[in-house]
Order: sequence, then C-alpha cells, then structure tokens
Amino acid sequence: AQSVTQLDSQVPVFEEAPVELRCNYSSSVSVYLFWYVQYPNQGLQLLLKYLSGSTLVESINGFEAEFNKSQTSFHLRKPSVHISDTAEYFCAVSPTGANNLFFGTGTRLTVIP
Amino acid sequence: DVKVTQSSRYLVKRTGEKVFLECVQDMDHENMFWYRQDPGLGLRLIYFSYDVKMKEKGDIPEGYSVSREKKERFSLILESASTNQTSMYLCASRHRANNQPQHFGDGTRLSIL
Repeated sequence: AQSVTQLDSQVPVFEEAPVELRCNYSSSVSVYLFWYVQYPNQGLQLLLKYLSGSTLVESINGFEAEFNKSQTSFHLRKPSVHISDTAEYFCAVSPTGANNLFFGTGTRLTVIP
Repeated sequence: DVKVTQSSRYLVKRTGEKVFLECVQDMDHENMFWYRQDPGLGLRLIYFSYDVKMKEKGDIPEGYSVSREKKERFSLILESASTNQTSMYLCASRHRANNQPQHFGDGTRLSIL
C-alpha cells in the first residue's frame, strides 16, 4: 500500500527567509514524485516532478526538491520566499504501474511580510 | 498548455437533488479523475476513467457515479445529494503513461443545503 505524509499542516515563515516543506512516502514499488501548488480558489498546478536521473529537481520560480530514496523523502525547499508563495502545497506519489496519484494532506505555507 | 475546464466554479443544490458536475479536457488524454478536497484530508479519489466508457472506483465512490461517453468529457453525478457531500470537487486529466503529471481544473465548490 502507498501513503504520503506531510507532517506540517501549516508553516508560517517571514518574507525572504528559507523554507522547507517535508514529504515522506511509503511504497512497495518504485515511484514517481510530484509537488503541486494550490493558490486560493484555484485548482492544483504542477510545481515540479521527479521521474528519474538527478535526484535534485527545480522549478522555474525558485523551488527545488530532492529525492532521497533511503529516507523515502521528497522535501521541497526555497532559499528565499516571497509573499506570492503563500499557498497550499501538496506532495503526490505515483507508483509505477498505477493509474492514480496518492496525495498528502497538504501544507499551508503563509509568508509573513 | 493543457486545459481542463469544469463547468461551474460554485454550485448550490438542495438535499435529495441529482447533481451533475462536468469536466472537459482538450489534450486527448486517456485518463481522467474526480477528487474531492476537504480541509485536513487532502485530495481523495472518487472515480477515475482510463478510456471511454471505462471507469474504476477510487477511495470514496459511495454516493457518486460517473459517465464517460466521450474521451474529452468526464461527468460526476451525485444521485441524491446529501449535506456531507458539500465539498470542493476537482477534475484532472493525464496521458496514460503514469510518469506524466495530472492536470487539474479550477474546481467546483459545491454546497448542499
């Protein structure tokens, strides 16, 4: 069985400070990993994905995530956050051979001016 | 860019009504999904479809049905709406390869009175 854990439901952080949003998963097969972002009153948008190759993946707006197979983690980081990063972030796992995604319960990031 | 369009952003219905939520995608994706999103619970899969007229139950199918008569359209049906079905509903589509990300619509916020 697969599961995705986002331990932090809410993360407040001051503008220009670094942030890490944690994601751990469990799966009996290899997986593809995704981070999605949801701005207020909108659907989910893909932020970044890990399929294979380099374990560090980056998005166009400064976020990065590192796949750690031994720790079954895929934490999301940004060295300096902006007010516009305030949103809810979801980690998701797609086991190889499966049709659907398994989502974590989300982390609400609030950037404080 | 992939476009997933949900027919309504906000919908208010009464208990016992039959409710239809419509979703259309324009990228010829084989797979389509319906989720509901509730605070603290993340996204939960209701149903998905991997081809026209094909469907599979997700984690919480009770009280819902789906229809996929055409490849681009996936409908979610609440046969007899109840107050516990008040939620945000999100539709997504994806190419059949499961290393591809899901693309989401903006969601329908449904209130059952």
